[in-house]
Formats: sequence, structure tokens, C-alpha cells
Amino acid sequence: ILNVEQSPQSLHVQEGDSTNFTCSFPSSNFYALHWYRWETAKSPEALFVMTLNGDEKKKGRISATLNTKEGYSYLYIKGSQPEDSATYLCARDNYGQNFVFGPGTRLSVLP
Amino acid sequence: NAGVTQTPKFRILKIGQSMTLQCAQDMNHNYMYWYRQDPGMGLKLIYYSVGAGITDKGEVPNGYNVSRSTTEDFPLRLELAAPSQTSVYFCASSRWSVAVGTDTQYFGPGTRLTVL
Repeated sequence: ILNVEQSPQSLHVQEGDSTNFTCSFPSSNFYALHWYRWETAKSPEALFVMTLNGDEKKKGRISATLNTKEGYSYLYIKGSQPEDSATYLCARDNYGQNFVFGPGTRLSVLP
Repeated sequence: NAGVTQTPKFRILKIGQSMTLQCAQDMNHNYMYWYRQDPGMGLKLIYYSVGAGITDKGEVPNGYNVSRSTTEDFPLRLELAAPSQTSVYFCASSRWSVAVGTDTQYFGPGTRLTVL
């Protein structure tokens, strides 16, 4: 089992603040990394799929970077809004098969 | 296009009972997955399937069985339910090919199971 770690475990920010969190994973035999947004009482929703070292993806105010050599990915949220409050999950993808999820970072954006 | 559907949404079982959680997808995805969500632990992979007739164990397969007789359906069977199986269960599907590589997973709405 490949351990995937995320930090911090939880985060409280004020509306308008920018924030970022980290996903760490074993770098050997890397294939792909996924980021998901998970609102309470809903299903996880895909944000990004990242495969190449140095990848940078953006979706509105959310962006992510990937470093496969050192085994980490950052997720950034610019100008946080209350609707960004959710748990953000990353998952290491083993050729579409044995996904291993991190425990998530729970973000609360206070108005 | 319904995406990934799961039934039932909620279920309470007594210790030792059995049940099947249903999962279906209409996106013609070849890969399907079952996860359980435990508080503070994120998602743990129970079983996955890369196509009809092919299944494999994930991280936490004990106490569960699966089958994949069609591309669309991937039921999860609990035999002899135990309190440790109280959890929220999510089914997911994705498309993977050698040419395109990996794609995102699409999740169902979840089944909340309580074993008393």
C-alpha cells in the first residue's frame, strides 16, 4: 500500500484569503495524481488529473502543481469564497487501478 | 445519462445478516471501484474491476465480495455483516485505455450502512 498524506488536516480562512495545501506521495513508479473536491453529504467531484512532472492545472480560482521527482502536489485557492468550503482529497493513481486516497484537507471559509 | 447510481441510499442491518449494494453506470466505463469512507480516514478501496469478468482486491477487501458480469453493473456483497462494516460506501467508475491513459473517476451518491 502506498501511503498518501495531506496537510494540513483542516484549515480555517477568511473570505478573500488565498490558501494552499499539500499532498505527499511515494515518487517511485509514479503514474498519475488526482485532486477531488468533496462537499459534506455529496459525492467527491473531480478537479484535476495530473501526470507529468511540472504539470500545472487551473480551474477558475483553483490551481494545482505537481512534482513527481520529490513526490508532492500543491493545491491553491485564490480569493477563497464560502462556497469553497469542502474537503479536498488527493489520490495516487496506479494505472487506473489501485487508487490510494489521502485523508483529505478540510477547508472552512468564514464570511 | 444518469452517471453512477447506487441503491439503496440507506440500510440498517443486524449483525450476521447479508446484503448486496447495487452500483450501475451508463457511461460505458471499463473501470469500476468500491470505496468505504470511515470518519477521518478518507476513502479506502475495497475492490475494483478493470472490465467485465475481472475483479481484484483493494486495500480493505475482507468481509466483502464483488462480481462484474456486465460492463454496467458492479454489485458489492456483504456476507455476515459486522459492526466494523458500518460506513458510507461509494461506487465509482472511470475510463482507462492505453492510448488515452487515465481519466477521472465519477462517483455515485453513496450508500449509508449501519450494522447493529
